[in-house]
Amino acid sequence: EVQLVQSGAEVKMAGESLKISCTGSGYSFLSYWIGWVRQMPGKGLEWMGMIYLGDSDTRYNPSFQGQVTISADKSSSTAYLHRSSLEASDTAMYYCAITRGSWALNYYYGMDVWGQGTTVTVSS
Amino acid sequence: AIQLTQSPSSLSASVGDRVTITCRASQGIGTALAWYQQKSGKTPKLLIYDASSLQSGVPSRFSGSGSGTDFTLTISSLQPEDFATYYCQQFNNYLFTFGPGTKVDVK
Repeated sequence: EVQLVQSGAEVKMAGESLKISCTGSGYSFLSYWIGWVRQMPGKGLEWMGMIYLGDSDTRYNPSFQGQVTISADKSSSTAYLHRSSLEASDTAMYYCAITRGSWALNYYYGMDVWGQGTTVTVSS
Repeated sequence: AIQLTQSPSSLSASVGDRVTITCRASQGIGTALAWYQQKSGKTPKLLIYDASSLQSGVPSRFSGSGSGTDFTLTISSLQPEDFATYYCQQFNNYLFTFGPGTKVDVK
């Protein structure tokens, strides 16, 4: 079974750093892009960026560029989301998801396998 | 960046109703659009990709249509488990955007 498992809930103070993980299993992890999505309390979904595990090609939502870093470790089939100096407004649920498409053809298959989500709470 | 709007932002419906949700893109995106369902406190679930392709395992009462800038998600006969929030999402030039969501609740 293809699945993504995310790291556990985090409680942080403002100014601290955060690194959450997303580990894939049950498929050729290196063949897919992993996207990150933020959902602030009571709000909608926001696409943050994605990484291709095969070569770590990374794309960011301009709104999150410079605010977060997406990285990956091929050897452990894990993608990471890193934020260096948290603010209270970073309090949210963060999801990773396999993102499939043929980008050159502008063909999009959707985000079809999701991690369970990681709750991040930041106190000021 | 391409923006997505959804209408309505919320709707009240009864079991058995036909429900239609619209998603409009600020510029043409071909058919690079997906629809998701998110129940309260749960992970989003992919329903439709490529504007009109039904994701494996999704009931056939869900359907999608449209291309360019105007898209529609239709639930042909609303079931109790369909009360949720629905999001559209577009892809263009390695960037993705979600719509603001449409909440479907009990009438």
